[in-house]
Amino acid sequence: TQLLEQSPQFLSIQEGENLTVYCNSSSVFSSLQWYRQEPGEGPVLLVTVVTGGEVKKLKRLTFQFGDARKDSSLHITAAQPGDTGLYLCAGVDAGGTSYGKLTFGQGTILTVHP
Amino acid sequence: EAQVTQNPRYLITVTGKKLTVTCSQNMNHEYMSWYRQDPGLGLRQIYYSMNVEVTDKGDVPEGYKVSRKEKRNFPLILESPSPNQTSLYFCASSSHVPGQGRNQPQHFGDGTRLSIL
Repeated sequence: TQLLEQSPQFLSIQEGENLTVYCNSSSVFSSLQWYRQEPGEGPVLLVTVVTGGEVKKLKRLTFQFGDARKDSSLHITAAQPGDTGLYLCAGVDAGGTSYGKLTFGQGTILTVHP
Repeated sequence: EAQVTQNPRYLITVTGKKLTVTCSQNMNHEYMSWYRQDPGLGLRQIYYSMNVEVTDKGDVPEGYKVSRKEKRNFPLILESPSPNQTSLYFCASSSHVPGQGRNQPQHFGDGTRLSIL
């Protein structure tokens, strides 16, 4: 079973601060996805990274996929209260008999105070 | 409207009483999946299906069954539910295996909150 360790589990910061969430594994993934989930709703995809070393930017959010495709990070610049939510990373199995299997990290609950 | 529909949204039942949570998508997606979400554990994949009549185990398949007889439906069956299956369940679908179609996200249903007493 592949594992994705996501950290930190909880993050409480003030508006305007920067933050980084990490997802680490000893396994290689074919791609890695980041989701955001609001209470009472299903997760919504933010980004998919596929290539080792890839960096993708979505406004104030920067996503990075590690060179070896085993880890990823999400960096938020100048956080706003609207960024509050649960952030989840998910790795897609690299292939073989488990192709198509998804492994999620434990999630990071982010609270941004005005 | 493109959507994934789960039913029921809430269910309280007793140990051992068979139940089915239905999932239907109207986007002609090939990939469908079931997850359970528990505090501190994130989402864990129960079963997934890459096409009709093709189903595979995720990380926590014990105690669950699924079927994919037609493309749009992917029901989750608990033959003999137990209290440790109390959880929030999500069904999701996507046109490709997640990540394969880079710009094609998984669409999630609104969730089913299941309580087994």
